[in-house]
Amino acid sequence: GAVVSQHPSWVICKSGTSVKIECRSLDFQATTMFWYRQFPKQSLMLMATSNEGSKATYEQGVEKDKFLINHASLTLSTLTVTSAHPEDSSFYICSATAGLAAYNEQFFGPGTRLTVL
Amino acid sequence: AQSVAQPEDQVNVAEGNPLTVKCTYSVSGNPYLFWYVQYPNRGLQFLLKYITGDNLVKGSYGFEAEFNKSQTSFHLKKPSALVSDSALYFCAVRDPTSGGYQKVTFGIGTKLQVIP
Repeated sequence: GAVVSQHPSWVICKSGTSVKIECRSLDFQATTMFWYRQFPKQSLMLMATSNEGSKATYEQGVEKDKFLINHASLTLSTLTVTSAHPEDSSFYICSATAGLAAYNEQFFGPGTRLTVL
Repeated sequence: AQSVAQPEDQVNVAEGNPLTVKCTYSVSGNPYLFWYVQYPNRGLQFLLKYITGDNLVKGSYGFEAEFNKSQTSFHLKKPSALVSDSALYFCAVRDPTSGGYQKVTFGIGTKLQVIP
C-alpha cells in the first residue's frame, strides 16, 4: 500500500516551453502533497506544500508564478514549470501524506528528471 | 527553526558487520524524527520514525534507530549489514510546534556502501 506515482519519469524540453508533472496517490487519499527539488549530492529542497482544494504554500525563494501547483483532488497534484530555462533542470520529487497528523510519514514518488535545453 | 545534520557523506561497512548512520537534530520542542532510504533510480522509502515513548525504534528491513534527547541524536543502526542495504539514507525532523503545516527538514543524506 501507500504508493505514489509520478509522470513522466523524465522529460526533455526546449527553453521557454512549459512542462507539467503529475503526482498521484494510487491507493490512499493524500490530504497533503509536497513538491521537492533534489540536486546532485544535496538534500531535498522543499518547494511547496499543497492541500486538496486550496492554494499551495510556497517556500521562500520559490516563484509561485513559475512553479504552478494544482491539487485538484485527494489523489492528484500537478506541478507545471512555466517558461522553463536550463537552470530549472533538476530532479523533481513529490510526496504525500495520508491524514493531517504531524507525525505522519511521507510517501514519495519515484521522481521526474527534467532537462531543459 | 529546525535543522538536521548528517555528518558523514559516506559510510563504508563490510557485509555482516554492524552499521551506524549518524544523525543529529535541532528543534525548539520535542521532535518527530524520520529515516528514509533512497535506492538507485527509485523514490525515497520510509524506514522508521520516532514520535514518543520508547527511545529505540524498530523499522523496516531490520533497521532500528535510537533517540537520544540529551545528545539530540537519532542514529540509524543495523546489527548485520547486507550488500542490498547499499543506498542513500536521509534523516528528517519535524518540530510539531513549528506551524500549521507539515514541513519536514531533511538532512543532506549519507551514502551507505556495504562491501561484500
